[in-house]
Amino acid sequence: SQQGEEDPQALSIQEGENATMNCSYKTSINNLQWYRQNSGRGLVHLILIRSNEREKHSGRLRVTLDTSKKSSSLLITASRAADTASYFCATVDNQAGTALIFGKGTTLSVSS
Amino acid sequence: DAGITQSPRHKVTETGTPVTLRCHQTENHRYMYWYRQDPGHGLRLIHYSYGVKDTDKGEVSDGYSVSRSKTEDFLLTLESATSSQTSVYFCAISESSGGEQFFGPGTRLTVL
Repeated sequence: SQQGEEDPQALSIQEGENATMNCSYKTSINNLQWYRQNSGRGLVHLILIRSNEREKHSGRLRVTLDTSKKSSSLLITASRAADTASYFCATVDNQAGTALIFGKGTTLSVSS
Repeated sequence: DAGITQSPRHKVTETGTPVTLRCHQTENHRYMYWYRQDPGHGLRLIHYSYGVKDTDKGEVSDGYSVSRSKTEDFLLTLESATSSQTSVYFCAISESSGGEQFFGPGTRLTVL
């Protein structure tokens, strides 16, 4: 069954604005990862945050993790039209340990 | 998509026929995965491999089998395709258990 649930399901913003996506999960995790998928393409790994980390940055991306609330957020600052894509969170369960369990994704649309 | 290819990229077949999808990597990664992606469900794990001849089931393994006789190749077989297996199939690889995954371009399979 799905582990992560992204919120919102869809988000429309203007270029230059910030975009925030949230992910909630159910079990104890080893790490949480965010992926991007452009239409018709495979997923691309964006960032990995371990369960003992609270915040991580990569370029215009900022990810937070709150293990007490079982939630994570992905912030994209100064959005560009090229950021238009679907974004997925995925967790690695502490019990399973190997496979990623994906949420259903947030579709981000950035208009110029 | 560098280092990981899928074949075929598109396939239309009829109910009851066998279908084999191939995933090939040149990265020498130990772990390989097969996912399916359907609207409203996100990505769901079918099977994965943690080494040559070592495989395990994922969330939606019924109706699918896999084989890995070489590090670089991971085959997904639908023994008798059904319309419910119409989907986009993604292969992924990773160096470590629970680590970031690199995805192939996907195979769009239609079962009539």
